[in-house]
Amino acid sequence: AQSVTQPDIHITVSEGASLELRCNYSYGATPYLFWYVQSPGQGLQLLLKYFSGDTLVQGIKGFEAEFKRSQSSFNLRKPSVHWSDAAEYFCAVGARQAGTALIFGKGTTLSVSS
Amino acid sequence: KAGVTQTPRYLIKTRGQQVTLSCSPISGHRSVSWYQQTPGQGLQFLFEYFSETQRNKGNFPGRFSGRQFSNSRSEMNVSTLELGDSALYLCASSLEAGNQPQHFGDGTRLSIL
Repeated sequence: AQSVTQPDIHITVSEGASLELRCNYSYGATPYLFWYVQSPGQGLQLLLKYFSGDTLVQGIKGFEAEFKRSQSSFNLRKPSVHWSDAAEYFCAVGARQAGTALIFGKGTTLSVSS
Repeated sequence: KAGVTQTPRYLIKTRGQQVTLSCSPISGHRSVSWYQQTPGQGLQFLFEYFSETQRNKGNFPGRFSGRQFSNSRSEMNVSTLELGDSALYLCASSLEAGNQPQHFGDGTRLSIL
């Protein structure tokens, strides 16, 4: 079955510290991979995406993610977290053909301490 | 360029009523998808429309329906509302069907009393 697992429900990081959010997926073929961020009361904002090519992708707000096919993982990283990064983060996978939906993980809530 | 616009932002209904939510995609985007977000189930796919045709449907009862107009705007309708329908309903648009990435609106918060 197709699924996305974000093992960490809640993570707290000190401001200025590095961050890694984990994402593992189960899919029939190599999917498109995404990370979205959601602030309270808002919709989802796309941070970055992986379609093909270089397995290390850069996104907005200083985030990056690395696709590891052998581990079926797409972990999100940021070298130095800012208080404004506190939000909920969702990993998602989608098929490469038309007519298919995004499958989301349950999300990881990031808190930033001063 | 304007983003995805969803109206209304908040809605309160009672059980048994029906509701219609609206979504205007990003200009030039032809595909619109709808998702339901709840604390327990997370984000779940409802359906996708492209060129006024439903291309894909999630595992929701027939009370949930949608449509897309020739200008790509979309509406979703929920009939005979139940308490469990309380959720944030998110609309996302993309250039083509299945052409990721999807860009999301801020959602409509539906509360059922």
